[in-house]
Amino acid sequence: KAGVTQTPRYLIKTRGQQVTLSCSPISGHRSVSWYQQTPGQGLQFLFEYFSETQRNKGNFPGRFSGRQFSNSRSEMNVSTLELGDSALYLCASSLAVGRSLYEQYFGPGTRLTVT
Amino acid sequence: AQSVTQLGSHVSVSEGALVLLRCNYSSSVPPYLFWYVQYPNQGLQLLLKYTTGATLVKGINGFEAEFKKSETSFHLTKPSAHMSDAAEYFCAVSDSPDDMRFGAGTRLTVKP
Repeated sequence: KAGVTQTPRYLIKTRGQQVTLSCSPISGHRSVSWYQQTPGQGLQFLFEYFSETQRNKGNFPGRFSGRQFSNSRSEMNVSTLELGDSALYLCASSLAVGRSLYEQYFGPGTRLTVT
Repeated sequence: AQSVTQLGSHVSVSEGALVLLRCNYSSSVPPYLFWYVQYPNQGLQLLLKYTTGATLVKGINGFEAEFKKSETSFHLTKPSAHMSDAAEYFCAVSDSPDDMRFGAGTRLTVKP
């Protein structure tokens, strides 16, 4: 069974631009969560989607948004990029909602660098 | 709200030596506890988790962890380190299905 895939793997953007990251979950998984990982703040939860609906949201500004499609694939968008948005963005899929109830399977991440 | 503290951002052991990675948590309710491993350029992988029942939890790759309520700890151990264990390890705590907090991580180095 194929794992979680994320595209692109690496991205360089300029301040003020916007970016869209993509995540394809494991087949049959309907929940997708997004995390931001930085050396200073560690792993921080962004949001979780299930059945095309955002079910949970972390403490991030509105510049961070996401969506989920009917095939469970998910995208996250960051608008008006700031230097502090440079991070590894991880996507995780699971069978259903409840990140502590259902094992999360993580993708390799997208490394975003904002210059 | 729950929180988790990992003692030691870097731990170095010799190959064959005991691995001990420390995790302490705070939670107002019985927590779920997790250990994840992250290899370079990869996402996180679940090593083991504690929900209820037996306090000694065995995971993959020979790792185990013991839930000690009185000490609010969930330390990760492995009797004999292997070079392939070099990675970053994250402890996580959850006191509700929709919430999970990760520790800052501990980078494990294994010396030959």
